[in-house]
Amino acid sequence: DTEVTQTPKHLVMGMTNKKSLKCEQHMGHRAMYWYKQKAKKPPELMFVYSYEKLSINESVPSRFSPECPNSSLLNLHLHALQPEDSALYLCASSQEWRTSRNTGELFFGEGSRLTVL
Amino acid sequence: QKEVEQNSGPLSVPEGAIASLNCTYSDRGSQSFFWYRQYSGKSPELIMSIYSNGDKEDGRFTAQLNKASQYVSLLIRDSQPSDSATYLCAPKADRGSTLGRLYFGRGTQLTVWP
Repeated sequence: DTEVTQTPKHLVMGMTNKKSLKCEQHMGHRAMYWYKQKAKKPPELMFVYSYEKLSINESVPSRFSPECPNSSLLNLHLHALQPEDSALYLCASSQEWRTSRNTGELFFGEGSRLTVL
Repeated sequence: QKEVEQNSGPLSVPEGAIASLNCTYSDRGSQSFFWYRQYSGKSPELIMSIYSNGDKEDGRFTAQLNKASQYVSLLIRDSQPSDSATYLCAPKADRGSTLGRLYFGRGTQLTVWP
């Protein structure tokens, strides 16, 4: 059983829709991540939150809007997406980010498979 | 840009054999290395981490690290069909502006046939 929970597992949306992906972790981790993964490609980093503050935005288009309401929750708000945004969106957490306590071990949720029509 | 190279495969081995997965990386500052297993349609799962030169064993898995050669490998002994998956190598950037980031290789697809 994963300790990083993502909902929904599958999402189909039109290009004009607004939807959100949600992620929750109960490991006491202070860093949370969003990755995007296309078929047969490695995960690509999108955002990093550390202590609920945005630390990294990998030049992600503004149609993706992250939010970290508290240390356990991470959301990704989606608006006006394009068909090429269809992918597996992975949430991950780690103990810390950019501190000596960051062992680098990332724990992934099961992912949200997004299809944009 | 940090480079991580893996043989994309597919690597096909018979059940019971040793599967050898290789990875080279460009960032000499990396001190931490991770292997993730990803089943088709699923998310990556951490299976091994290694921080020091040499071998680290965990059950049927052995990770090997040679920082001088910028090389890390994963051996799977007594391979089982359930080991069939894509294996992602991920060094961590431990210095510089990219400190803290994992850089994923493209993965090696392993098939273990009965």
